[in-house]
Amino acid sequence: AQSVAQPEDQVNVAEGNPLTVKCTYSVSGNPYLFWYVQYPNRGLQFLLKYITGDNLVKGSYGFEAEFNKSQTSFHLKKPSALVSDSALYFCAVRDPANYGGATNKLIFGTGTLLAVQP
Amino acid sequence: EAQVTQNPRYLITVTGKKLTVTCSQNMNHEYMSWYRQDPGLGLRQIYYSMNVEVTDKGDVPEGYKVSRKEKRNFPLILESPSPNQTSLYFCASSGQGAGNTIYFGEGSWLTVV
Repeated sequence: AQSVAQPEDQVNVAEGNPLTVKCTYSVSGNPYLFWYVQYPNRGLQFLLKYITGDNLVKGSYGFEAEFNKSQTSFHLKKPSALVSDSALYFCAVRDPANYGGATNKLIFGTGTLLAVQP
Repeated sequence: EAQVTQNPRYLITVTGKKLTVTCSQNMNHEYMSWYRQDPGLGLRQIYYSMNVEVTDKGDVPEGYKVSRKEKRNFPLILESPSPNQTSLYFCASSGQGAGNTIYFGEGSWLTVV
């Protein structure tokens, strides 16, 4: 069965330091991978996605993610964290069994709370 | 501005009292769906719709109904809410094609007492 794992419930980092939020996936085919961020009392905002091509994907707010097929990972990174980056981050994979368009279902990880200290 | 709009954003209701959460998108997207978010479980799909009058169950459809009479609207109906439906609900939409980004509304906090 398809699944996404975010092994860390919370990541703490000091402002100005690099941050990494981990994500691994398990799917039967080639994955389409996404990162979303949820700020307090706000909806899910799209950060970036990997569909094909360059394994390093750049997204909004200075975030980037690297697709590693051999390790089945798609870790989110940022070179220098800001206090305003503090939020809940979700990794998600598009269900490859339905690439034909029968559903737009995303399979989500359980989320990682990023806390950036001043 | 492209957006997915949900209402109400916050609701406290009593067990058994029918309620509807509305969802509207202005991007002319074919696909719409509903998710619920629960602590430790991430987001799980409730129902989805490929287009007008075409809907199907997601992973957790029990206790919910949906309809898609117009392309832009996709309401979520709880005929007889129960406390285990207390959750944060998200409506989402996207265009055709697996690589398309899915856009989410701002969420609806529902408490059933």
